[in-house]
Amino acid sequence: AQTVTQSQPEMSVQEAETVTLSCTYDTSENNYYLFWYKQPPSRQMILVIRQEAYKQQNATENRFSVNFQKAAKSFSLKISDSQLGDTAMYFCAFMTDSGGGADGLTFGKGTHLIIQP
Amino acid sequence: DAGVTQSPTHLIKTRGQHVTLRCSPISGHKSVSWYQQVLGQGPQFIFQYYEKEERGRGNFPDRFSARQFPNYSSELNVNALLLGDSALYLCASSLGTGGYEQYFGPGTRLTVT
Repeated sequence: AQTVTQSQPEMSVQEAETVTLSCTYDTSENNYYLFWYKQPPSRQMILVIRQEAYKQQNATENRFSVNFQKAAKSFSLKISDSQLGDTAMYFCAFMTDSGGGADGLTFGKGTHLIIQP
Repeated sequence: DAGVTQSPTHLIKTRGQHVTLRCSPISGHKSVSWYQQVLGQGPQFIFQYYEKEERGRGNFPDRFSARQFPNYSSELNVNALLLGDSALYLCASSLGTGGYEQYFGPGTRLTVT
C-alpha cells in the first residue's frame, strides 16, 4: 500500500516570503502521479500542481513549483511571493498509474499554512 | 463552465438511517470518485466510477455503495449510519482514470447523531 507523509502539521510565514512544504511517499510502483491540493477554510479542494513520475522536469504553475526527487521519494511544494490568499490546508497526494485501472488518490494528513500580513 | 456540484450541502441523520449523496461532474468528464474526509485528516478514497462501472474501491465496509448514471452523475449511498460516518464527503471528477487530474466539488457535510 502507498503512504504519504507530511511532517509539518503547521507553518507560518510573512506575506511575500517563500515557503516550502515537505512531502514524502512510499511506493513500490515505478509509474505514478503526485499532486498538491489546497483546501481553504471554505473547504473546496483546489488542485495546485501535478507531477508525472516519469518526467524529470519539475512542474511549475505560476508562483507554485515542486522539487521532485524520485530516488528519495520526496515531493516538496515551493510557494514564492506568498499571499494572504495562500492561507489554507495543503495536501500532498499520490496516485498510481495502473493503466486505466482503479486507483484513487492517497492523501497525506496535510500542512496548515498561515500567511501573516 | 460549471464545476463539480454536490447536493445537499449539509445533512443531519440519526444512527441506523440511510443517506444518499449526489454529485454532478464537470461537463465532458466521465469519471467520478468519492472521498471521505474526517475532521483534521486528509480525504480517504471510497470509490471510483468510470463509464458507469466501478473501477476502484477503498477500504470501506459494504454499507457504502455508489452508482453512476448515463449522464455521468453519481450517487453515494450509506446504509445503517454510524456516528463514525460523520464527515465531509467529497466528489471529484476527471476525464478518465489513471492519473488524470481530479477536480473536487464543495462537499457534503454529514452529521450523524
